Amino acid sequence: QSVLTQPPSASGTPGQRVTISCSGSSSHIGSSYVYWYQQLPGTAPKLLIYRSNQRPSGVPDRFSGSKSGTSASLAISGLRSEDEADYYCSTWDDSLSGWVFGGGTKLTVL
Amino acid sequence: EVQLVQSGAEVKEPGESLKISCKGSGYSFTSYWIAWVCQMPGKGLEWMGIIHPGDSRTRYSPTFQGQVTMSVDKSISTTYLQWSSLKASDTAMYYCARLSSTSASATFPEHWFGPWGQGTLVTVSS
Repeated sequence: QSVLTQPPSASGTPGQRVTISCSGSSSHIGSSYVYWYQQLPGTAPKLLIYRSNQRPSGVPDRFSGSKSGTSASLAISGLRSEDEADYYCSTWDDSLSGWVFGGGTKLTVL
Repeated sequence: EVQLVQSGAEVKEPGESLKISCKGSGYSFTSYWIAWVCQMPGKGLEWMGIIHPGDSRTRYSPTFQGQVTMSVDKSISTTYLQWSSLKASDTAMYYCARLSSTSASATFPEHWFGPWGQGTLVTVSS
């Protein structure tokens, strides 16, 4: 059971906008930045969003992050087939004094 | 280019010991914490702990404290993850990742994992 709750799956058709949620509590999401990672099939995870809403260089502006209270969201607009991957949210947990991850959301592009 | 290159896949029997590695290049190796993250087959990511290559300070997740040992050899820019007695439940993909942030004075909550190594698959089976 992951500390952060994500839907196990999400889907959309090419060109659509999809959002993936990540919920937690005041001891982690509520008090820290949220980070999002993309894991393409058979590869290592890659940073997608840092500091809740910042994109590293090289990440398309189709990807955006937001946070409100104890929840966060990743939005992907103009969905493409290459976006099919697992997406994980992560944050610092004050109770653990370490990082926690969501269970991951498998995005399918129909 | 910042790179982390991990050692190859391992197949071991229960009770055996194992040490896997993660070699950093393209940056000041002793200035950045290295994290280890595991991913059991078909499952999500789990943070195991971190090590500072500069002075070998470590912080372990309670789940992994006492189960694994992290170490470093600065002379070859390599960090290690070690087991003294493997169990079948240790079967997983293990990733190393550099802890990064926007400033040198950032606190841990302001750090993220990246870049990542390619992963080392550890299979423990009799």
